[in-house]
Amino acid sequence: GENVEQHPSTLSVQEGDSAVIKCTYSDSASNYFPWYKQELGKRPQLIIDIRSNVGEKKDQRIAVTLNKTAKHFSLHITETQPEDSAVYFCAARSFGNEKLTFGTGTRLTIIP
Amino acid sequence: GAVVSQHPSWVICKSGTSVKIECRSLDFQATTMFWYRQFPKQSLMLMATSNEGSKATYEQGVEKDKFLINHASLTLSTLTVTSAHPEDSSFYICSAAPTGELFFGEGSRLTVL
Repeated sequence: GENVEQHPSTLSVQEGDSAVIKCTYSDSASNYFPWYKQELGKRPQLIIDIRSNVGEKKDQRIAVTLNKTAKHFSLHITETQPEDSAVYFCAARSFGNEKLTFGTGTRLTIIP
Repeated sequence: GAVVSQHPSWVICKSGTSVKIECRSLDFQATTMFWYRQFPKQSLMLMATSNEGSKATYEQGVEKDKFLINHASLTLSTLTVTSAHPEDSSFYICSAAPTGELFFGEGSRLTVL
């Protein structure tokens, strides 16, 4: 089955700087890669996703890049703000499979 | 987006008792729902996929007789933790993907004393 690895597990960034979280996946058939933000005690919320026919996607301060050859994808958050502090999870899903496999999570702390 | 509602949001029970968690799709019909478990400071682990009108599909290592799943209608799936023990204490979250994107319920925090 799919295996998703995520790094780093914790990340502290000065407010205003950029944060980058990286994930790798094992199943070359995976074609959908969402990123979720989870605040303490709450449900995960989708913040951005990318499909395998696209190399990069951007939504305001958030961007995701995908390298299919290397089987890795990354989340980039620019101009970080205190409200960006949360746990972020990457995930992967293969075509025809409804199940999402999640990474281990990254606890992002924005230092004011 | 689609709305998934979960109840109760938290529950405390004694060891050996059973606890039922409900997951409802409020504005769409869900033939499939996914149940995840999340231990403190850990990732979301898929426990099982519930299928309306048929048996649930359990992930490897998840005891189907302990975690009973029923998906009797297109808007309701239930997870019953039977004979709960302290090691079952966790955050249980249901989800559905009516449009491909996965939408989560609020989650249910179970504490077994």
